[in-house]
Amino acid sequence: EAGVAQSPRYKIIEKRQSVAFWCNPISGHATLYWYQQILGQGPKLLIQFQNNGVVDDSQLPKDRFSAERLKGVDSTLKIQPAKLEDSAVYLCASRRGLAADEQFFGPGTRLTVL
Amino acid sequence: GQQLNQSPQSMFIQEGEDVSMNCTSSSIFNTWLWYKQEPGEGPVLLIALYKAGELTSNGRLTAQFGITRKDSFLNISASIPSDVGIYFCAGHTGGGNKLTFGTGTQLKVEL
Repeated sequence: EAGVAQSPRYKIIEKRQSVAFWCNPISGHATLYWYQQILGQGPKLLIQFQNNGVVDDSQLPKDRFSAERLKGVDSTLKIQPAKLEDSAVYLCASRRGLAADEQFFGPGTRLTVL
Repeated sequence: GQQLNQSPQSMFIQEGEDVSMNCTSSSIFNTWLWYKQEPGEGPVLLIALYKAGELTSNGRLTAQFGITRKDSFLNISASIPSDVGIYFCAGHTGGGNKLTFGTGTQLKVEL
């Protein structure tokens, strides 16, 4: 079974530029998450999708971050405009059922904002 | 958002030594999980705990779900070089179906 795929793996941009990340979850996984992991910290949930609907986006900075999962499969996370403090690893995860131990993470996209 | 407190923040041990780390929260969780993250990769699940007081092993790893449901512990016996990485605890409440992660414990193993 293929794991969660993310691209790009690395991205360097200047502040005020825009950037987008892509995630392809494990086949059949209805729930998809985006996390932000700042260096030296644990992952922090940004948004949770159930199929193509948003379940929780309470921690998403909506003035600059947006995410979509139009067909209930792939998802994109966008930042516009980026700030220096957005430098982090953006992790995508997907979950098959309801159990916490059924959540699997992708390798992440490392974003550097200069 | 909340992050759980893990200690120690980092540790440098010799190969063959046993390692202990813990995780504490101000909130109660229904499930505790322990992950390992290596450079350039996402976290990988090591152990999941579902009941207060539960003690679960996975090879050289043993984890415990604290009686108060506000803490958890991870032990690694006879550490080896490939144990190097960052270990994260995570709590799960069930209702929101989301994980709250700890601050991480970085493990470095000296040959």
